[in-house]
Amino acid sequence: GAVVSQHPSRVICKSGTSVKIECRSLDFQATTMFWYRQFPKQSLMLMATSNEGSKATYEQGVEKDKFLINHASLTLSTLTVTSAHPEDSSFYICSAGQGKGNEQFFGPGTRLTVL
Amino acid sequence: QKEVEQNSGPLSVPEGAIASLNCTYSDRGSQSFFWYRQYSGKSPELIMFIYSNGDKEDGRFTAQLNKASQYVSLLIRDSQPSDSATYLCAVDRKGRGSTLGRLYFGRGTQLTVWP
Repeated sequence: GAVVSQHPSRVICKSGTSVKIECRSLDFQATTMFWYRQFPKQSLMLMATSNEGSKATYEQGVEKDKFLINHASLTLSTLTVTSAHPEDSSFYICSAGQGKGNEQFFGPGTRLTVL
Repeated sequence: QKEVEQNSGPLSVPEGAIASLNCTYSDRGSQSFFWYRQYSGKSPELIMFIYSNGDKEDGRFTAQLNKASQYVSLLIRDSQPSDSATYLCAVDRKGRGSTLGRLYFGRGTQLTVWP
């Protein structure tokens, strides 16, 4: 099956620093990748849709200047949390798809803790 | 108004029983419906998806969809302790065979199967 990896799996940083999270499709080319955020006991909230070679589409209420998304190749998308603050602490999950078929394959997630 | 609603539970059933999980959605344009399982600290795993009204069976799992009532459910037969997890309902406006769409998740129902 399709495998999606994320790196790092866990990161702890100081308030004000920027953190980059990578999402890779290991055995397929992902034309579209999605970024989700999940707070404890809450649902996955879609943050943005990332298409290879074009600008990401952000969901309402998500600050595009704070959450920078780059999808430079068909196998890699990155999410950079700029000037992170404690309220950005969350579980960030990416998913990727091959195009038709609707199925999204989720990465294992990255737990971000901002001190 | 929340797009996808689920009873948060917890739902507790004995081993071997049928667990019934429910989900309603607000967007009548939704075309694809997904059930995911999420273990604590992990990313979601796809259980099954359904596009058409009626029932769809896959092993011990049966998804039921009623678009007129904007209702989708998941039945788990012969529940096992290993089924204990949070079950997430997700909807997509795009239909079967369409390009990858954006998923909107419910908050999930926590299921405990006790031996």
